[in-house]
Amino acid sequence: DGGITQSPKYLFRKEGQNVTLSCEQNLNHDAMYWYRQDPGQGLRLIYYSQIVNDFQKGDIAEGYSVSREKKESFPLTVTSAQKNPTAFYLCASTPGANEQFFGPGTRLTVL
Amino acid sequence: AQKVTQAQTEISVVEKEDVTLDCVYETRDTTYYLFWYKQPPSGELVFLIRRNSFDEQNEISGRYSWNFQKSTSSFNFTITASQVVDSAVYFCALSRGFGAGGYNKLIFGAGTRLAVHP
Repeated sequence: DGGITQSPKYLFRKEGQNVTLSCEQNLNHDAMYWYRQDPGQGLRLIYYSQIVNDFQKGDIAEGYSVSREKKESFPLTVTSAQKNPTAFYLCASTPGANEQFFGPGTRLTVL
Repeated sequence: AQKVTQAQTEISVVEKEDVTLDCVYETRDTTYYLFWYKQPPSGELVFLIRRNSFDEQNEISGRYSWNFQKSTSSFNFTITASQVVDSAVYFCALSRGFGAGGYNKLIFGAGTRLAVHP
């Protein structure tokens, strides 16, 4: 089945830890995106990548980092510099036709 | 600057009622795209529709219909004869057209939570 997978589904982080959220797609899409969703709010763009080995900051990139070494993979690292990381994280990809296809999400909680 | 406003935070209806979700957008671009997504309790966003700025025809898909009016910068979504399975958060989103800076970046509204009761 073609689609976007995110892992883990739930993630718990201690204060001061870096954690990495996985996003993989087998849709052969060029562009990939990371969004953050807080309760009762819309999605906000963290980072996006339109091609391998290239990525740009979104609206709320501080405290996050990404890499795009392979077309299929776009992992997001939440660093200790992100002061309020508890949120729902969604990964998306698009073939360039504008509609984005989303993964099932990772719910991150800071203990 | 681009912005999407969904003024209705929550809507509650009884099954079989019709319901309209409002979406108002702001953009200076002449070419842009509008979207609706559904987010069920599972959390994954489900794509419903994309509309480009040059196509103002209304669209109907089963019980769903969309009314795009450039004159009022609105892209409203109507569910006819609502069902319990329609209960979800619905997001309206906007993106710039091809060639514009930030191509494909989606600007989301805050969402409208729809609860359909039996």
